Amino acid sequence: KAGVTQTPRYLIKTRGQQVTLSCSPISGHRSVSWYQQTPGQGLQFLFEYFSETQRNKGNFPGRFSGRQFSNSRSEMNVSTLELGDSALYLCASSRESNQPQHFGDGTRLSIL
Amino acid sequence: DAKTTQPPSMDCAEGRAANLPCNHSTISGNEYVYWYRQIHSQGPQYIIHGLKNNETNEMASLIITEDRKSSTLILPHATLRDTAVYYCIVRGGWSNFGNEKLTFGTGTRLTIIP
Repeated sequence: KAGVTQTPRYLIKTRGQQVTLSCSPISGHRSVSWYQQTPGQGLQFLFEYFSETQRNKGNFPGRFSGRQFSNSRSEMNVSTLELGDSALYLCASSRESNQPQHFGDGTRLSIL
Repeated sequence: DAKTTQPPSMDCAEGRAANLPCNHSTISGNEYVYWYRQIHSQGPQYIIHGLKNNETNEMASLIITEDRKSSTLILPHATLRDTAVYYCIVRGGWSNFGNEKLTFGTGTRLTIIP
């Protein structure tokens, strides 16, 4: 059974650019959540999507946005990139609410 | 705003049982205890979760005290591949506001010694 797939694995961008990250959840999983992980702040919740609707949102600026498609695949977009956006971005999926979330290996984003 | 307390690091000899403690004294009745681990450069891996009964799966056992204020994750026969950071997380169930987020603390860095 395939796990959560995130693409690309690594990405280098410069300040001011924008970026789109992709997440394919485990087949049959309808909930997709995004997290940011940095050495200083640890893992921080960005948002959660379920059936194409954002249901929960963390404390991040509006430059961070996402969406979910009808096949449950999700994308995350960050606009006007800042140096502090350098992080590992993780996607997690679960079949339904109150089910364990399973993580992908993340996209490591570096901002120069 | 992590709701759990874990020791920052632990060592365990290869082949022995690794017992990782977690305190969650403010846990409420509908909150579950989840355990994840993260090996360097990989995403967190789900291990096990429970509400009040002890749980066991192919990876580990979870022992929750009767008052639910603490728990222990047991890896019965630790191998070198179990070296990782282990996170104990308290998480509520679903609400009208959606799937409750996972709040990771600093975890326990477990090192398996050959």
